[in-house]
Amino acid sequence: GNSVTQMEGPVTLSEEAFLTINCTYTATGYPSLFWYVQYPGEGLQLLLKATKADDKGSNKGFEATYRKETTSFHLEKGSVQVSDSAVYFCALSIVGGSQGNLIFGKGTKLSVKP
Amino acid sequence: KAGVTQTPRYLIKTRGQQVTLSCSPISGHRSVSWYQQTPGQGLQFLFEYFSETQRNKGNFPGRFSGRQFSNSRSEMNVSTLELGDSALYLCASSLTTGGSNQPQHFGDGTRLSIL
Repeated sequence: GNSVTQMEGPVTLSEEAFLTINCTYTATGYPSLFWYVQYPGEGLQLLLKATKADDKGSNKGFEATYRKETTSFHLEKGSVQVSDSAVYFCALSIVGGSQGNLIFGKGTKLSVKP
Repeated sequence: KAGVTQTPRYLIKTRGQQVTLSCSPISGHRSVSWYQQTPGQGLQFLFEYFSETQRNKGNFPGRFSGRQFSNSRSEMNVSTLELGDSALYLCASSLTTGGSNQPQHFGDGTRLSIL
């Protein structure tokens, strides 16, 4: 079946540290891949996306590359800020079904300390 | 362009009551999906509506229902509330249905607490 696996959190980093949040997926066909971010008390915001193999999505200093050979879509940022503290969700799109159109990982909570 | 609007933001109910949550999608978006978010289960898909028709349904009991109006606004209803229904309910809209590379845009959610 279709699924997304994210690294367990929480992840605690100091400001300006390098961030990697691992995400791997299992899917039939060729899904699009997304990273969403959820700040405290808010809904999910689309952070970046990639629609085909070797695509690199980027936004606000975050990057992720769609790796078909390793079925991965790891999120990276070179220098995190306190304002990046949030929960990050990796997701893939599928065509409907009982899981809906988007399959989410369980989320990784990031805390950045000054 | 206005985002996805969910009302109310907070609700407190007691067991056995029913509740209706509302979602107004981004203008022009025809697909609305609902999710339940809890600390233990994460994000769980409830259902999706497109052009007033339910397209997909998650594995929730029949107490959870929804509908979509001709202007794409959607409501979800939960009857006979249970303590375990306490959660953040998120609504998301997108231009079309059926996966593809169309991202979903989320509202800020309705926080439902059952006493």
